[in-house]
Amino acid sequence: AIQMTQSPSSLSASVGDRVTITCRASQGIRNDLGWYQQKPGKAPKVLIYGGTNLQSGVPSRFSGSGSGTDFTLTISSLQPEDFATYYCLQDYDYPRTFGQGTKVEIK
Amino acid sequence: EVQLVESGGGLVQPGGSLRLSCAASGFTFSSYWMNWVRQAPGKGLEWVANIKEDGSKKYYVDSVKGRFTISRDNAESSLYLQMNGLGVEDTAVYYCARDSSHLIWGKYLDSFDYWGQGTLVTVSS
Repeated sequence: AIQMTQSPSSLSASVGDRVTITCRASQGIRNDLGWYQQKPGKAPKVLIYGGTNLQSGVPSRFSGSGSGTDFTLTISSLQPEDFATYYCLQDYDYPRTFGQGTKVEIK
Repeated sequence: EVQLVESGGGLVQPGGSLRLSCAASGFTFSSYWMNWVRQAPGKGLEWVANIKEDGSKKYYVDSVKGRFTISRDNAESSLYLQMNGLGVEDTAVYYCARDSSHLIWGKYLDSFDYWGQGTLVTVSS
């Protein structure tokens, strides 16, 4: 199975900060990667698909980059509603695999 | 409005069985791959299984192969997960999620664009 390694596992940031989360695949996955946001007690929500494509309705402060094995989710200016846990998901091969998550907390 | 509503979770003893259901509405259910994703208490997300639009292809994570069976009834717009031989490691919230394909520059890119609220399965004696 393809392993997805996210870093960091957690971070503290302030409102307005630029935040970057990375995800590394154990083998090349082209651009078959999505980013998901999950708040406590809620279902995940897709932010980015295909590595770089913003899901409809998602604020433009979220962006994704990367291809192959290294991917990045960037939040350009962190907002109060962005404090959550973020996961990457590869859909290149089976089984689908998630990263272990990055918890973004208030500084 | 797209809605996915899971049901069927509960407390079951180790070795027992449970059948989860996911009722879909607001879209043409038969046009989408569907997934089950689970989350153990305090842990991350784990993809469990998915099924093709017509039910002809199914894929599973290794840890549930031979124990879980995904199925669907397109006439009823429903997705199912039959879980047998349950162990404590299967304790989790189980989500169903729709798999959408987006055609971008000639390539189909996938996303899990709608999720249910989840149903809790607890395996304990």
